[in-house]
Amino acid sequence: DAGVTQSPTHLIKTRGQQVTLRCSPKSGHDTVSWYQQALGQGPQFIFQYYEEEERQRGNFPDRFSGHQFPNYSSELNVNALLLGDSALYLCASSLAAGGATEAFFGQGTRLTVV
Amino acid sequence: EDQVTQSPEALRLQEGESSSLNCSYTVSGLRGLFWYRQDPGKGPEFLFTLYSAGEEKEKERLKATLTKKESFLHITAPKPEDSATYLCAVQATLGNNRLAFGKGNQVVVIP
Repeated sequence: DAGVTQSPTHLIKTRGQQVTLRCSPKSGHDTVSWYQQALGQGPQFIFQYYEEEERQRGNFPDRFSGHQFPNYSSELNVNALLLGDSALYLCASSLAAGGATEAFFGQGTRLTVV
Repeated sequence: EDQVTQSPEALRLQEGESSSLNCSYTVSGLRGLFWYRQDPGKGPEFLFTLYSAGEEKEKERLKATLTKKESFLHITAPKPEDSATYLCAVQATLGNNRLAFGKGNQVVVIP
């Protein structure tokens, strides 16, 4: 089992550009969540996708958007990049079961905006 | 709004010196409390899930406990390889599996 995989691992973009990050969930998982982690902080919830729809959204602007594909993989898109968007972007996969379910994280994508 | 506060922010331990990390939380209804370990530049690695007050779980030198207001992660006789940031997160009953994280406890174990 490859676990959760993210690509790319590192990315450098210029302010104002757009970026797409990708995530493949752990085998058997149907829910993908995205988190942003600034240096020295805990991960902050961006949004969650299940059955190809955004189920819940954190306190992030509309510049952040996403998509889930029929194979459960997901993309995170960020438009009009700001310097403050520099962070580690984490993808987590889980099962949409009724009880508390563990989320398993990928290794993250380090985004640097210059 | 769900809130998680972890203390201390940073901790330096001598190898073999046991200690505890604290995670206090406020949540409308707790579905689960999670502990993760994160190494620099890597994604969080799942350690434990705790569901109800009084529950305890162990893994090697780590033991997690839960009360109605806080959780503790006890590190017994730590080794240098236990150096990491330990993250605590809560999942609310109405949260659709989203996790609310604390800032983490950065632990350094000195040989």
